[in-house]
Order: sequence, then C-alpha cells, then structure tokens
Amino acid sequence: QKEVEQNSGPLSVPEGAIASLNCTYSDRGSQSFFWYRQYSGKSPELIMSIYSNGDKEDGRFTAQLNKASQYVSLLIRDSQPSDSATYLCAVGGFYTGGFKTIFGAGTRLFVKA
Amino acid sequence: DAGVIQSPRHEVTEMGQEVTLRCKPISGHDYLFWYRQTMMRGLELLIYFNNNVPIDDSGMPEDRFSAKMPNASFSTLKIQPSEPRDSAVYFCASDTRDPADLNYGYTFGSGTRLTVV
Repeated sequence: QKEVEQNSGPLSVPEGAIASLNCTYSDRGSQSFFWYRQYSGKSPELIMSIYSNGDKEDGRFTAQLNKASQYVSLLIRDSQPSDSATYLCAVGGFYTGGFKTIFGAGTRLFVKA
Repeated sequence: DAGVIQSPRHEVTEMGQEVTLRCKPISGHDYLFWYRQTMMRGLELLIYFNNNVPIDDSGMPEDRFSAKMPNASFSTLKIQPSEPRDSAVYFCASDTRDPADLNYGYTFGSGTRLTVV
C-alpha cells in the first residue's frame, strides 16, 4: 500500500509568518509531487507541482522536494488569513495497476490575524 | 470556461436506492477522473477515463459502483444499491495531460455531497 503521510494539524501561524507544511511518501519510485489547497466545503485546487530535487518558487509559495529522504514540503511566506485551508500533498508514480496519484489526508492551516 | 461541472451538488437518498452522479469535463480535456473524499479515508481515486475509455477502475470499491463516459462531454457514476457507508463527497476532475506525464494537475469540479440514510 503506497502511502502519503501528512500531519493533520491544525497548524496555527500568525499573519505574516512563514507556514511550513510537510509530507512524506513511502514509494521511492514516485515521480511527481503536488500541493493542493482545499477550503472548507470546496474542491481541491492545484497550487504547485514539482518533479526534481530542490526548490520551486511561485509567488509566496515554495515547494521543496528531497527524493533521497522521501519528503516534500510547502512553504507559504507572508501568510494571510485567506491561506487558512487544508493543504493536500499528492504523489504520482507507476504503482501496481498503472500510474496513480495518491493523496495525503491533508494538513489544516490556520492563519491568525 | 465554466470549469468542471458536477450535478447534483447535494443528494440525500435512502439505503437501497440507485444514485447517479453526473460530470461535464472542461471542453478539450480528454482525461476524466472520479474521486471520493471522506474524513476517514481522504481523497481516493475511483476510476479514470481517457478519450471516453476506462483506463483504471481498480479503485471502484465494489460491483455496486459503475461509471460510464458515453461521450467526451459527459460522465456518470452510479451506485446501485446505495448504502450508508457510501456517504461521501464525490469529485470529478479533468485534465488534458496523461497522468504519467509529470507536468499534470487536475481541475476538480465542485463535488457532489452524497448522504445515504
């Protein structure tokens, strides 16, 4: 069973701080990594994707991938109350039965004004 | 673009009844995915289609679940008979890219919240 693990939280940070979200995965053959944001009662929306070791920045968001340690993280700089949501880590790869994308259970983030 | 459109938004039904969920993908997207989300199990892939053909249905929980895609603009997920444990939010998602193409990322519909009593 391929697993994607996230701390369920909640993670609480003050407005303007850096929020750090972490995710580990079990299969070393995993190839693609994603962060989705899901507001309460809404559908997931893609924030970032990353495929190579290192950092990838997009505005206030930075995704970090370390395949040797099998973890991927998301940093949110200058956190805003509007960033309060559940963040889902997703990992894709060729697993038994074909190519699959497996989602973590998500980390709830609260940004306090 | 109207995005991925799902209907109904909410469905409450009695155990044993047939339930049909509907999805219209984004025009031009040739991959369509059905997901189920619950508090206990998170977001699970049920089935996905490419060019209207089912590619991987290994996530379909049991024979009570079936999915069809008769054309590029419409898909259904049917549960017959429904059971209380089927209660969940069912999402449809679409994309233009092969999931095996590293540069993909789904666009999700707004979901159908199903409650089976």
